[in-house]
Amino acid sequence: DGGITQSPKYLFRKEGQNVTLSCEQNLNHDAMYWYRQDPGQGLRLIYYSQIVNDFQKGDIAEGYSVSREKKESFPLTVTSAQKNPTAFYLCASSVVGPWGTQYFGPGTRLLVL
Amino acid sequence: ELKVEQNPLFLSMQEGKNYTIYCNYSTTSDRLYWYRQDPGKSLESLFVLLSNGAVKQEGRLMASLDTKARLSTLHITAAVHDLSATYFCAVDIDQGGSEKLVFGKGTKLTVNP
Repeated sequence: DGGITQSPKYLFRKEGQNVTLSCEQNLNHDAMYWYRQDPGQGLRLIYYSQIVNDFQKGDIAEGYSVSREKKESFPLTVTSAQKNPTAFYLCASSVVGPWGTQYFGPGTRLLVL
Repeated sequence: ELKVEQNPLFLSMQEGKNYTIYCNYSTTSDRLYWYRQDPGKSLESLFVLLSNGAVKQEGRLMASLDTKARLSTLHITAAVHDLSATYFCAVDIDQGGSEKLVFGKGTKLTVNP
């Protein structure tokens, strides 16, 4: 089955701790994205990558970091600098180009202890 | 900065009724997407609108795009309970050679028996 997987489904972070959210896709998509969704809000772009070993900041990159060492994987680290990390995090992927619909993973809900 | 505004943000309607959700955006784009999100779940792609005048229909939902007015509509015909969800529009913009989506805040639709 082709698709996007995210893990874990729920993640608890202690104050001062860095945590990493996993995103893997087997759709052979070049582009991958990370979004944050707060209750009652739309999605806001954190980081995106259109090719391996390259990524760009989105609208709310502060307090987050990413890597893109493999085409299939785009992990997101929520650092201790992110003071309000509680949110629903969604990963997406697409083909590169203007006709590339973004397909979303099931999401990770991050909660602060 | 691109702004994407949806209205209404909340919509409660009775089964069998018709209604339209509006999506206005503030800059030039000829690519717009509609997504559906069920509570606690990820986003599901509904429609991709790629040119002025584009119209797509799937079951009781029909989406259209007017790029000159910078307006997309999602029309619901004879609503049923299963359509209850949050609907997002997203506008595709070209930013320095990279494609990115900007989402509206979503319209939470509740269809009552």
